[in-house]
Amino acid sequence: KAGVTQTPRYLIKTRGQQVTLSCSPISGHRSVSWYQQTPGQGLQFLFEYFSETQRNKGNFPGRFSGRQFSNSRSEMNVSTLELGDSALYLCASSQTGQAEAFFGQGTRLTVV
Amino acid sequence: GENVEQHPSTLSVQEGDSAVIKCTYSDSASNYFPWYKQELGKRPQLIIDIRSNVGEKKDQRIAVTLNKTAKHFSLHITETQPEDSAVYFCAASISGYGNKLVFGAGTILRVKS
Repeated sequence: KAGVTQTPRYLIKTRGQQVTLSCSPISGHRSVSWYQQTPGQGLQFLFEYFSETQRNKGNFPGRFSGRQFSNSRSEMNVSTLELGDSALYLCASSQTGQAEAFFGQGTRLTVV
Repeated sequence: GENVEQHPSTLSVQEGDSAVIKCTYSDSASNYFPWYKQELGKRPQLIIDIRSNVGEKKDQRIAVTLNKTAKHFSLHITETQPEDSAVYFCAASISGYGNKLVFGAGTILRVKS
């Protein structure tokens, strides 16, 4: 079974631009969660999608948004990028609620 | 909201010794506690988890214990090996809140050979 796949692996963007990251979950998994990982703040929950609906949301500004498609693939979007958005963005897929969560390799976003 | 504290932030042990990492959570409604291992430049990998209806769980050299009364849980690694060197994260989630995981700050484990 293929694991969680995130694309792209690396991105460099300029302040003020917007970016879209993609996550393909493990086949059969319907839940996709997104996390931001930084050296200073650690792993922080962004949001979770289940069956195309946002089920949970963390404490991030509205510039961070996401969606999930009918095949469970998910995208997250960050608009009006700031230097502080530089981070490793990880997605995790799970079968259902409170099931084991498996992470993708992450997308390393650098904002310059 | 839920808050998870993790100690120590760094831990150095000799190969063959045991390592213990402790986490404390704030919300008594938390009922699922996974542990992740993250090697440098790699994704976090689930190594073991425990649910609130169980007090202890073992998987070869790794064990997790849960004390619901004190609201803390611990990871125990026995007979440590150099390949155990990594950052370990504990996490907690609450039933009814889907898959929202609240993570501890992480512990850098160094196993010296």
